[in-house]
Amino acid sequence: DTGVSQDPRHKITKRGQNVTFRCDPISEHNRLYWYRQTLGQGPEFLTYFQNEAQLEKSRLLSDRFSAERPKGSFSTLEIQRTEQGDSAMYLCASSLLGGDGYTFGSGTRLTVV
Amino acid sequence: AQRVTQPEKLLSVFKGAPVELKCNYSYSGSPELFWYVQYSRQRLQLLLRHISRESIKGFTADLNKGETSFHLKKPFAQEEDSAMYYCALSGMNTGFQKLVFGTGTRLLVSP
Repeated sequence: DTGVSQDPRHKITKRGQNVTFRCDPISEHNRLYWYRQTLGQGPEFLTYFQNEAQLEKSRLLSDRFSAERPKGSFSTLEIQRTEQGDSAMYLCASSLLGGDGYTFGSGTRLTVV
Repeated sequence: AQRVTQPEKLLSVFKGAPVELKCNYSYSGSPELFWYVQYSRQRLQLLLRHISRESIKGFTADLNKGETSFHLKKPFAQEEDSAMYYCALSGMNTGFQKLVFGTGTRLLVSP
């Protein structure tokens, strides 16, 4: 197991386009999280899954954002009709239920032009 | 509301000097506090958590509930400690699931 993998590493898109990111957590981890980080800020919570159930969504996650974890393994984060304000680093992390903190992925850097 | 404050954006010290990265928090209840570190071109990783009471890479942090602080300390900084450090909080109000991060402090250790 190589840890938490995110794909792609970088994405440049035009405003108004849809984008989808993928996260593959550590295989035995049942919790998966999405965070967003903008320049000069710490990561901000977006949503998390326990197995395939999405248990919490931040108010930061507008209707244009949707996340899935269909089989309790990998997860996707889709942003529809991207805006320049969506430009950020999108981080995925996973953990065990009751485990010792998260393991983060390297992130997907989104640039909306 | 849960909040983590890291007042310093940048902390610059010389090798061998003591280091203290400040973290204050706002939380109504019993929090769990963490320090995460991000070295250049690497992913964010857990450095330590207060309940472990460990010393990792020479760093320690003590939770002071009276001052609502969780400062990170190291007696003698090394050049390889140069990195971005984030203080984070979790707790019962957040279901012990999501983390609330501070804005981070960049530590620069010069030779």
